[in-house]
This record gives sequence, C-alpha cells and structure tokens, in this order.
Amino acid sequence: RKEVEQDPGPFNVPEGATVAFNCTYSNSASQSFFWYRQDCRKEPKLLMSVYSSGNEDGRFTAQLNRASQYISLLIRDSKLSDSATYLCVVNGGGGFKTIFGAGTRLFVKA
Amino acid sequence: GAVVSQHPSRVICKSGTSVKIECRSLDFQATTMFWYRQFPKQSLMLMATSNEGSKATYEQGVEKDKFLINHASLTLSTLTVTSAHPEDSSFYICSATGTTNNEQFFGPGTRLTVL
Repeated sequence: RKEVEQDPGPFNVPEGATVAFNCTYSNSASQSFFWYRQDCRKEPKLLMSVYSSGNEDGRFTAQLNRASQYISLLIRDSKLSDSATYLCVVNGGGGFKTIFGAGTRLFVKA
Repeated sequence: GAVVSQHPSRVICKSGTSVKIECRSLDFQATTMFWYRQFPKQSLMLMATSNEGSKATYEQGVEKDKFLINHASLTLSTLTVTSAHPEDSSFYICSATGTTNNEQFFGPGTRLTVL
C-alpha cells in the first residue's frame, strides 16, 4: 500500500460544478496535512492546510478524518482556472518526512 | 508567503558533465531544505532532506555520491548532479521550511536536459 494514495483522475467537469477529491494515508502518526496545487511544468503551491476541525477558504473546503485516515478537498463553483493537478501532502510523525501523493488531475471545461 | 528561488531555471548539458543547482530562501531562514525530482506526468519524488550544517539524508535509491547536496547556510542549499547522463534529465525542485507547521515553500524548479 502506498503511503499516500490519490485517485489520479482526470476529473473532467463543467464550469460551476462541485468536485471532490479524497486522499488516504497509511501512517497513523502523521501530523500535518496539506493540499497543494501544481500547474503544468510549474512548482507546487500551497492551496490550504488541513485541520482536524476542517477548514474553508472561499470555494475550497478541506477536511481530515483521522479515524479513517483520509483527507478530502471540495471545490465548489469550479472555474476554468481551477484546472490543475491537486497534490495531497502528508507530513509523517518523528522524522519530519513529507510524502506527496501522485496528484489528481482536474480539467474544468466551459 | 515566503519566497524560494532556484537557479538556473533551465540547463542543457552534455553527458558526463556536472551541473550545480542553487536553492535560496530569500526572506526567511530555512532550517530544512528538500530536493525533489519529478519526471513527466509523475509525482514529486523526494531525493534528500538537508539541514543546515549537517549531512543530507538521502532517500532509498538515491545515490549520494551522484547527487551531492550542500547546505552551508540557512538560506542556501546546492544540489550537484555529477557526471550527468540522459536518464538524469528531469525537473528538479527544492523546497524549504522554516516554520513550525511544516509548510514547504517551493522554488520554481530547474529543468535539466542531458544530451
């Protein structure tokens, strides 16, 4: 089992749609969780951190379920500019190791 | 957010030569820097983790004698690809962290092409 698993997609959605991504992780001692966004041939950029209580930033909502060891990202009212690869990132316990998921590709079409 | 720069952004070299890539944190002190490699349509793969003033910790399968990492100061880390071969052609990205929440700030990446 991979340490961090994501559905690679691609997800093809129309503008205005709501889309959700899930990510599972294997290390129950993981401490920090993030969603990054990566555009083609560019470096990843932090989209949002994921907190146990869940957090929302505009059209984006992230949630963490420690019992089931997964995190989710919900995008509402999709825009063309949301087209990118979304990377799930988990920072493990002691050892400070950060693991990236393989990413989920999203295409938003007009 | 914090800014990380990388230089050069693109390099083309002949097989057998060595290439040095610099990673700098511009407005913060990076206690830890990470080096990643990304092949087309694949995920970021961590190559090594380096802390200022100490030897880098390499991931399994990454040759430390081929990928030399130096982290001499809190704002600069370098990756040297020694005796580069075509299979080393890839997108190399560094990141740095200096905060307690483990957020990583990424450099813009260096695209290496070995002919």
